[in-house]
Amino acid sequence: QVHLQESGPGLVKPSETLSLTCTVSGDSTSTSYWIWIRQPPGKGLEWIGYIYNNGKTNYGPSLENRVTISLDTSKNQLSLKVLSVTAADTAVYYCARGFSIDDWGQGTLVTVSS
Amino acid sequence: QSVLTQPPSASGTPGQRVIISCSGSSSNIGSNPVNWYQQLPGTAPKLLMYNIDQRPSGVPDRFSGSKSGTSASLAISGLQPEDEADYYCAAWDDGLDGRNVVFGGGTKLTV
Repeated sequence: QVHLQESGPGLVKPSETLSLTCTVSGDSTSTSYWIWIRQPPGKGLEWIGYIYNNGKTNYGPSLENRVTISLDTSKNQLSLKVLSVTAADTAVYYCARGFSIDDWGQGTLVTVSS
Repeated sequence: QSVLTQPPSASGTPGQRVIISCSGSSSNIGSNPVNWYQQLPGTAPKLLMYNIDQRPSGVPDRFSGSKSGTSASLAISGLQPEDEADYYCAAWDDGLDGRNVVFGGGTKLTV
């Protein structure tokens, strides 16, 4: 049974960089799709992007120019960086796995505020 | 504005059958599998249906999925109080910016 756990600062100042890590257990990050999705408070799901096990990435249009997703297979971790954040980036951030987004982490709330 | 269109709300009484629709286009639902996710209050979404009509292990057969052209539907029969949740449809989209998943705006089901 795969388990995903997001971690990182819960509060980020405007214009700074949001950095999150997702630690994976029960599966290897050298297989499958690894995904980040976010959900602003009270709103729906928003696709951020994915990294495939061959290193290929693709990002959704909403964050495309500010986001980087990477994999550290030696640590079995997935990471997310979002540059120059604003209040609009306040959301619960989820890491997830699989072509069908089969498994999700519990999510971590990131608030952008000074 | 979500790429896939869902009704914002749906409701039913215990035992009833409810259908939630999801409308897309040729670049997403029209050419890729559709998945559905259930999000109970205060929890992460959970995969409820994949590849249009396939249920992951543990999902009751009261839930069923279908697709026709660029639209998909999730049916819940024998509605139970614990089905009260937000439901999201999703599909891979073969857009100009590469392959990304697009979501519906979510349907809040009240039982």
